Amino acid sequence: GAGVSQSPSNKVTEKGKDVELRCDPISGHTALYWYRQSLGQGLEFLIYFQGNSAPDKSGLPSDRFSAERTGGSVSTLTIQRTQQEDSAVYLCASSQSRGGTGLSDTQYFGPGTRLTVL
Amino acid sequence: RKEVEQDPGPFNVPEGATVAFNCTYSNSASQSFFWYRQDCRKEPKLLMSVYSSGNEDGRFTAQLNRASQYISLLIRDSKLSDSATYLCVVGTRNFNKFYFGSGTKLNVKP
Repeated sequence: GAGVSQSPSNKVTEKGKDVELRCDPISGHTALYWYRQSLGQGLEFLIYFQGNSAPDKSGLPSDRFSAERTGGSVSTLTIQRTQQEDSAVYLCASSQSRGGTGLSDTQYFGPGTRLTVL
Repeated sequence: RKEVEQDPGPFNVPEGATVAFNCTYSNSASQSFFWYRQDCRKEPKLLMSVYSSGNEDGRFTAQLNRASQYISLLIRDSKLSDSATYLCVVGTRNFNKFYFGSGTKLNVKP
């Protein structure tokens, strides 16, 4: 079946512009995660959605970053007034949530959006 | 202190060698554990989950030591195709939050 998809695959923007990144999770997956990965670094957790709600926004680096998820499916990550330090690969992952245990199954990652801020 | 720590390597080994990686985590309440593999400029992909009793998948064996708060990955009979970065991942119960290590790079040489 279809995996996680992300768009665009690459985005080059000028400092100060806003960008919007999109993630289409695997159908039926209720949990959705956004991470970013700078060159040669590990993954940095940004935000997690369970359905349409985001119980944990603690990873968002600043108030320039926001994310939403509608219909329990597609999610968008918006970065306002981009800065050069925002340049990274933004990865989205989805998983099935094991209901009452609060534990999620394996995360499946999309191919990422490579953001370059000039 | 980082939530998850790994030796960045690189580990340079010949084909056929056995190699082991360790990963330590700081939160004793962690609930789920995984090893992911990431190839250069690609997304991470699940290699295997790590269970309390330890588990094996072909040439790969994962172990969990809750008392010492570390996870290990053993690769036997290394192949050239095993060359990648191996990410240790630890999940907490609250908010389904996952912490990724920075990865251990493995280079398998002919």
